[in-house]
Amino acid sequence: EAGVAQSPRYKIIEKRQSVAFWCNPISGHATLYWYQQILGQGPKLLIQFQNNGVVDDSQLPKDRFSAERLKGVDSTLKIQPAKLEDSAVYLCASSLDAERAIDTQYFGPGTRLTVL
Amino acid sequence: SQKIEQNSEALNIQEGKTATLTCNYTNYSPAYLQWYRQDPGRGPVFLLLIRENEKEKRKERLKVTFDTTLKQSLFHITASQPADSATYLCALPPFSGGYNKLIFGAGTRLAVHP
Repeated sequence: EAGVAQSPRYKIIEKRQSVAFWCNPISGHATLYWYQQILGQGPKLLIQFQNNGVVDDSQLPKDRFSAERLKGVDSTLKIQPAKLEDSAVYLCASSLDAERAIDTQYFGPGTRLTVL
Repeated sequence: SQKIEQNSEALNIQEGKTATLTCNYTNYSPAYLQWYRQDPGRGPVFLLLIRENEKEKRKERLKVTFDTTLKQSLFHITASQPADSATYLCALPPFSGGYNKLIFGAGTRLAVHP
């Protein structure tokens, strides 16, 4: 079974530029998560999708971050414009169906973003 | 507010010894707690889940305990090996609820020396 795929693996941009990350979850997984992990910290949930609907985006800085999951499969996360404090690893995870009581999350390798 | 605390300092142990990592949480009682392993440059990998009505859970050389009175979980690796070197994260559902949502601790880095 293929895991969660993410691209690119690394991205360096200057502040005020825009950037987009792509995630392809495990086939058949209804739930998709985007996390931000700053160096030395644990992952922090940015947004959670159930199929193509948003379940939770309470911690997404909506003035600069946006995400979509068209057709309930792949997802993209965009930052526009980027700030220095956005430098982090962006992790995508998927689970079979978050509407089950407890569901294991499977993580991709992440995209390391450096904002100069 | 909800807090998860893990030792920020790295744990260094000798191969063959038992590693014990601590996860403390405050301000509420989660229904379950999970442990993940994260290697450099990779995403976290799920290891174990323990529910509030379970005192202990085992999987091969791993053992997790969950003390809801102390608000603490301990994660043990017996007969540790250099390949066990990684950062270990504990995670629990937030007080605010939500479907399968997790709050992660900052993790503890384990280094097992030959």
